[in-house]
Formats: sequence, structure tokens, C-alpha cells
Amino acid sequence: DAKTTQPDSMESTEGETVHLPCSHATISGNEYIYWYRQVPLQGPEYVTHGLQQNTTNSMAFLAIASDRKSSTLILPHVSLRDAAVYHCILRGSGGSNYKLTFGKGTLLTVTP
Amino acid sequence: NAGVIQTPRHKVTGKGQEATLWCEPISGHSAVFWYRQTIVQGLEFLTYFRNQAPIDDSGMPKERFSAQMPNQSHSTLKIQSTQPQDSAVYLCASSLGDRNTGQLYFGEGSKLTVL
Repeated sequence: DAKTTQPDSMESTEGETVHLPCSHATISGNEYIYWYRQVPLQGPEYVTHGLQQNTTNSMAFLAIASDRKSSTLILPHVSLRDAAVYHCILRGSGGSNYKLTFGKGTLLTVTP
Repeated sequence: NAGVIQTPRHKVTGKGQEATLWCEPISGHSAVFWYRQTIVQGLEFLTYFRNQAPIDDSGMPKERFSAQMPNQSHSTLKIQSTQPQDSAVYLCASSLGDRNTGQLYFGEGSKLTVL
């Protein structure tokens, strides 16, 4: 799997919109971009994923650059519950690409 | 939907003892994964089952670790002769299948402490 680069940490305040960047300059054409988040004492939680088009769900908006070399997870109106480590992961399509390789992610701190 | 259920949540063993961890995947999910998480190594892939069949155990430490999935409703991870370096949180995850394998649902984990 190609490698991703994320900032170690980011800080925000409740109610703000947070932009979490991820760089993946060597992404392959068939690789999806996945985002997971993890809070202490719990397993990782799926947030969203995309291939080429921007995607949105109840948790976040994923903006993917036109050249696919970077993406940004956008969290609108963050609350204290959004404080977590956010992982940006690449995964190829096809049945043989089942492993998710987690890096250190970005620790998002949210203050009241 | 109860999610992925892992038991026990915490287990303390003495060095050399055996530890067995259980996982109940989400009903209808055909893919089951085991990961291990430590502060130093982060999240590491251990093994993967698809439709109960072992597909990949490349992440499993040799000799002392084994995983089984005797039926579609549970999987076990067994560690024989536990060592202090086995102390970690062991996470089980399930997914619908190959096309959606990237969307994993994780349990809360089993924290193993080897004294």
C-alpha cells in the first residue's frame, strides 16, 4: 500500500469546522482513501472513504484533490466527542487488498 | 446491531500461561480480522478469515499464536506460553466481504497484560 502523510496533531475549538489534511503523493489509480478515527479504550471507527469524487456522510466531508495526491477530511461543527486520532489509509481494490495499514494518524484535540 | 463483541475486555496472565480471546463478529459479516495494538508498534495486522476459512496469518508471531474460526459466529485468538511482550490490546474486526473489506467494524478490544 502507498504511504500517507498526516500532521501529528491539530487543535480546534468546539463549533469550529476542522480540516484534516492527508498527503498521498504516490497513490495508485485503484487505491481508495479511507479515514478511520480512534478514541482511547475503543477500537477504530470507520469515518468515510472515497476514490476520486468528494464524498459526504453524517460524520464528515471528504474532499479529494483532482490529481488524487492529497485529501482533506472536513469535520463541520466539531464537538468534544470528535476528539480522536484520525487515520488516513490507502487500500487497493480487489479481494487481495484486505489489509488496512494504520499509521500514527493525527491527534485532534477539541477544547470547549 | 450489537456490533463486534470481544471478551474478555481485560485479561491478566502470568508469564508462561495461556490466554484465549474471543470475538463475535457482526451477524452476516463474512470477513473477520484480528489486529494488535501497542503504544510502540501501533496497530498491526495479525490474521484474516473469509467465510470462516483462514486466508492470511502473515502477521501472527510464529509458534505461540493461533487463531481459529470454528463457526460464523465466533473466532478465537489463542496465545500459548504468554510473554510480557505479548501485552497489548487485541482488536477483532468484521466486514461484509471483499468489496466492502475496507469498511471494518472493530470491537472494543481485549487488553492482555502479561506479568
